[in-house]
Amino acid sequence: DAGVIQSPRHEVTEMGQEVTLRCKPISGHNSLFWYRQTMMRGLELLIYFNNNVPIDDSGMPEDRFSAKMPNASFSTLKIQPSEPRDSAVYFCASSLTGDREYFGPGTRLTVT
Amino acid sequence: AQSVAQPEDQVNVAEGNPLTVKCTYSVSGNPYLFWYVQYPNRGLQFLLKYITGDNLVKGSYGFEAEFNKSQTSFHLKKPSALVSDSALYFCAVRDMGGGSYIPTFGRGTSLIVHP
Repeated sequence: DAGVIQSPRHEVTEMGQEVTLRCKPISGHNSLFWYRQTMMRGLELLIYFNNNVPIDDSGMPEDRFSAKMPNASFSTLKIQPSEPRDSAVYFCASSLTGDREYFGPGTRLTVT
Repeated sequence: AQSVAQPEDQVNVAEGNPLTVKCTYSVSGNPYLFWYVQYPNRGLQFLLKYITGDNLVKGSYGFEAEFNKSQTSFHLKKPSALVSDSALYFCAVRDMGGGSYIPTFGRGTSLIVHP
């Protein structure tokens, strides 16, 4: 298996633009997580899906952030409009429910 | 509620010496514990986990961790450190009795192994 796939790996955008991050989980996994990592705040859970259904989105910073999982093999995290403080590395991870997580390589987002 | 603490932001050790990265946890039920490692510009990689059984768990790259229920700790250890072990290490816990499948991660400990 190729592991968790994320795209793009790097994204540079201007403040106010829409940003869409993509994730393909490992085939057969039924749990998917989106995390954000910054030096200041460490690793933060943004949202958790189980069987394509959002279970916990309490970590989503504000209404500018949204996430979808239309099917078991694809998820998106969208930021609209983006702000400089959204600059971070965004990780997607998948697992079998409750077991260890497999992390993707991350998307480094820079908002200028 | 579940929580995990990594009391050291940074651990420094000389190559060839034993290393310990500390982790303590708090859960209502039984803990499901994990260690992950993150190398620069990479995602987190799984090292080892504890569910039940032997308190000493062996994992990847020669790492092991000792589960101590009375001290609610799960310290990561390696008998002889390598420079290539330098990375960021995360401890995570999930409460098996809590009904949630979301683990809680610590803030991470930066391990620096000096030649």
